[in-house]
Amino acid sequence: DAGVIQSPRHEVTEMGQEVTLRCKPISGHDYLFWYRQTMMRGLELLIYFNNNVPIDDSGMPEDRFSAKMPNASFSTLKIQPSEPRDSAVYFCASSPISTDLDTQYFGPGTRLTVL
Amino acid sequence: AQSVTQPDIHITVSEGASLELRCNYSYGATPYLFWYVQSPGQGLQLLLKYFSGDTLVQGIKGFEAEFKRSQSSFNLRKPSVHWSDAAEYFCAVGIQGAQKLVFGQGTRLTINP
Repeated sequence: DAGVIQSPRHEVTEMGQEVTLRCKPISGHDYLFWYRQTMMRGLELLIYFNNNVPIDDSGMPEDRFSAKMPNASFSTLKIQPSEPRDSAVYFCASSPISTDLDTQYFGPGTRLTVL
Repeated sequence: AQSVTQPDIHITVSEGASLELRCNYSYGATPYLFWYVQSPGQGLQLLLKYFSGDTLVQGIKGFEAEFKRSQSSFNLRKPSVHWSDAAEYFCAVGIQGAQKLVFGQGTRLTINP
């Protein structure tokens, strides 16, 4: 399996622009997670989906952030408008269905720089 | 609320020396505990996990961790480190029924030749 795929790997944009990050989870995994990693705040869970349905978005920082999962093989995280404080590495992870907590498999991340 | 503390931000050890990375958690129920490793420019990879049973857990790359409920700790150990072990290490606690992980701030490991 190719693992979790994220694109782009690097994104540089200017303040006010819309940014879309993409994720393809591992086939057969029913959970998908979006994390943000910064030096100041470490690794934070933004939102997670189960069977394409958002379950917990309490980590989404504000209305400028939105996430969708239109099907089992694709998810997007959108920031509109972007701000310099959104600069971070954004990770997508997926996990197989389980009756209990299971291993999360992480993608390589997207490094976002907002100028 | 659930939390994880990794007291050491940065540790340097010599190649071939033993290693222990500390992790303390706060969680009201039986914890699910994880150690992940992140190499530069990469995503996180699972080293090992504890759900129940034997409190000494073996993982990949020669790592092990011991769950000590009385100390709320889940320290990671390796008897002899290799230069390729240089990376950032994250401890995490799983929230039962919610499929969520709470991560510590991470410990950056540097290996001296």
